[in-house]
Amino acid sequence: EPEVTQTPSHQVTQMGQEVILRCVPISNHLYFYWYRQILGQKVEFLVSFYNNEISEKSEIFDDQFSVERPDGSNFTLKIRSTKLEDSAMYFCASRGSTKETQYFGPGTRLLVL
Amino acid sequence: SQQGEEDPQALSIQEGENATMNCSYKTSINNLQWYRQNSGRGLVHLILIRSNEREKHSGRLRVTLDTSKKSSSLLITASRAADTASYFCATEEGETSGSRLTFGEGTQLTVNP
Repeated sequence: EPEVTQTPSHQVTQMGQEVILRCVPISNHLYFYWYRQILGQKVEFLVSFYNNEISEKSEIFDDQFSVERPDGSNFTLKIRSTKLEDSAMYFCASRGSTKETQYFGPGTRLLVL
Repeated sequence: SQQGEEDPQALSIQEGENATMNCSYKTSINNLQWYRQNSGRGLVHLILIRSNEREKHSGRLRVTLDTSKKSSSLLITASRAADTASYFCATEEGETSGSRLTFGEGTQLTVNP
């Protein structure tokens, strides 16, 4: 069964460093999302992406964040200058249409020191 | 209270018993979904129920939706130790390209063998 994949599974970085989290959505999907989950808290929406542009973003998704679909298969989340509070599990999700559910990847656990 | 609040926060039962988790939300929704998360892992989609549906079944899962009360319940029948996980409800308000999922706080279910 097709699934969303994410790399790396874990990333440790120093405060102020840039990180790029990678996702490979399900191949025929058109709608892409990033969410995050701070340890012990609920999952929060960051951004949605369709037709090569951001559809919607939350207040968390400030100028430090950016997303890109550099080729036909990858979908990336970049954090330009990481802060301690960016430490969280980051989930990518995709779906084929707005009538379908969103399928989530296994997540990338980011730790900012 | 926030969109997508589950209760109880934690539930501990014996194998073979049924587990019922509830979710309440505040706004009008297009659909409500339930996800499962094993500790520190990804989100697994369980079931989606649309706003014009009242009940849905999938294997040992039964979901109900009461839009007049803005609430949903997830019933897991004949629970197994492997059902131990956190369960989240998530609501979607529209069907646009940007539609986000808004997650609740989750119920931690422990099924004792």
